[in-house]
Amino acid sequence: AQTVTQSQPEMSVQEAETVTLSCTYDTSESNYYLFWYKQPPSRQMILVIRQEAYKQQNATENRFSVNFQKAAKSFSLKISDSQLGDTAMYFCASHSGGSNYKLTFGKGTLLTVNP
Amino acid sequence: AAGVIQSPRHLIKEKRETATLKCYPIPRHDTVYWYQQGPGQDPQFLISFYEKMQSDKGSIPDRFSAQQFSDYHSELNMSSLELGDSALYFCASSLLVNGYTFGSGTRLTVV
Repeated sequence: AQTVTQSQPEMSVQEAETVTLSCTYDTSESNYYLFWYKQPPSRQMILVIRQEAYKQQNATENRFSVNFQKAAKSFSLKISDSQLGDTAMYFCASHSGGSNYKLTFGKGTLLTVNP
Repeated sequence: AAGVIQSPRHLIKEKRETATLKCYPIPRHDTVYWYQQGPGQDPQFLISFYEKMQSDKGSIPDRFSAQQFSDYHSELNMSSLELGDSALYFCASSLLVNGYTFGSGTRLTVV
């Protein structure tokens, strides 16, 4: 079984600044995938970034990057140059790399970007 | 690009009624997943189908059932609805491990 923990229920950041959201996970799988999803007030579930555990290089998508520490089972999300539109709930999630791809989510971090 | 289509977007039902939610996956995706997200909660996995066969089952109540049809669309059937079933229900689809995409969800309110 996989577990995902987000220890920051809420965070805030000033527009244009950088913020890091924390996530730790636990799994017995050797092959797995990690994700950050954004859920704005519209409740749409939007993929922000995806990391394959067998890849050592940290994933990057424009202003979003991760710090993947496999030994520590840590998967933090860094948002650079924060924008008002980044205000949302952010969920960290994982699934195994076998034949079962059901996602296990953390409890989420509510990020507010202030003008 | 085609996305995952869910219908209806909103649904209001009374207690003890039945509801059917529909999901149309991205073309050529072979796996469909259903998730339930209660108010202020993280999404919880309910059930999945791979090539029209049930592939995994989560914390899905016995009152709920689901299936995937020959055209790959899936339906989640919920009977004897309870107030606690009020939630956002997401469908997602993928091609093996790739292209995992969520639909916009169906908001079910039980009154």
